[in-house]
Amino acid sequence: QQQVKQSPQSLIVQKGGISIINCAYENTAFDYFPWYQQFPGKGPALLIAIRPDVSEKKEGRFTISFNKSAKQFSLHIMDSQPGDSATYFCAASMPSGSRLTFGEGTQLTVNP
Amino acid sequence: EAEVAQSPRYKITEKSQAVAFWCDPISGHATLYWYRQILGQGPELLVQFQDESVVDDSQLPKDRFSAERLKGVDSTLKIQPAELGDSAMYLCASSAQISPLHFGNGTRLTVT
Repeated sequence: QQQVKQSPQSLIVQKGGISIINCAYENTAFDYFPWYQQFPGKGPALLIAIRPDVSEKKEGRFTISFNKSAKQFSLHIMDSQPGDSATYFCAASMPSGSRLTFGEGTQLTVNP
Repeated sequence: EAEVAQSPRYKITEKSQAVAFWCDPISGHATLYWYRQILGQGPELLVQFQDESVVDDSQLPKDRFSAERLKGVDSTLKIQPAELGDSAMYLCASSAQISPLHFGNGTRLTVT
């Protein structure tokens, strides 16, 4: 079963705080784990991605932590800003550029 | 920065009517995807093209949905007849070999 479970469904954080979104997957054949950010009325945009050969990847204020044995990965947004308010989706795919399977999404609100 | 172009941005149609969406991928991207995103959920793949060939249409409701990419560039997704449950955002995405998916801003379909 190619499922990706995401939590929480919604998250409210104060400006400057840390936002943490978690995802769990079932299919051990997945080898690519991106996070997408989506603003209302827009398509999803790639934020950051990781492959299972590393346990962490950081780009600016965004970090992916990956736990292969637990089949879990998470997005950390440091120093969260109101402009980060959006819906975030984790996703996973198998090798050879196959289809992305998305999580259900997390609506993040960062209060000023 | 190159973008995936989609039209129309919004479409309102009555139940049982036909509707069509158009997508122009980023130049040089051989792989094209159509995703459906129901409000509050993550995108779900409908069909994947590699050049002009369909490589995955397992989730496409073929009794009413059709997709084509005749010259391996732009693509059209058609629904006939439309049903109330088809109301959703239809997203097109494209990618080059072993590269991230780039999404368009979608077509918001409302079936009345």
